[in-house]
Amino acid sequence: ETGVTQSPTHLIKTRGQQVTLRCSSQSGHNTVSWYQQALGQGPQFIFQYYREEENGRGNFPPRFSGLQFPNYSSELNVNALELDDSALYLCASSLRQGGLAKNIQYFGAGTRLSVL
Amino acid sequence: AQSVAQPEDQVNVAEGNPLTVKCTYSVSGNPYLFWYVQYPNRGLQFLLKYITGDNLVKGSYGFEAEFNKSQTSFHLKKPSALVSDSALYFCAVRDSGSGGYQKVTFGTGTKLQVIP
Repeated sequence: ETGVTQSPTHLIKTRGQQVTLRCSSQSGHNTVSWYQQALGQGPQFIFQYYREEENGRGNFPPRFSGLQFPNYSSELNVNALELDDSALYLCASSLRQGGLAKNIQYFGAGTRLSVL
Repeated sequence: AQSVAQPEDQVNVAEGNPLTVKCTYSVSGNPYLFWYVQYPNRGLQFLLKYITGDNLVKGSYGFEAEFNKSQTSFHLKKPSALVSDSALYFCAVRDSGSGGYQKVTFGTGTKLQVIP
């Protein structure tokens, strides 16, 4: 086990609703990245948080937003859900020291979101 | 822009035989390369990484990978496959020059099927 926990494990929402997914980082890690993995695809980078600030973003619209808390846990929020948002959402934690990111990301088991 | 290609959707190998899962990459600078494995309904598990140094990298569960800069490849290998190795394998790349920003790009995955 990686020590990264995500909740909930499964979620069903309807189009137009809003959803919040949660992630608890591995102990000692200060950086969190979120990925979307559609069925049959590789994970796609959504964004990364370091010291409670967004540190980089992939090609996702603003309705995907996040937070990182002082204890380095994190949330992913998605507004105005669309059918195509149905996917496995993965959280990954890692350690960044001295301006350089340690390179191994440790993943949680994910939250499977179904949008009907 | 960085990218990863995994040319085989599926690789079948007999138990006890050597296996190879192929990966090629593209980055603007020096690459950081990774292999992850995903079992059904699970998150990604780190197998190994190449940052610098020896071109043959050894990882978890007897896996290794060979970095070839001229061919921009990072193929995953194992001398003797086990049925329990059957899973989805992802190759990933990050540009070493991106500093603290840790956007990692994943391939589309290769399903490994080890036949008893």
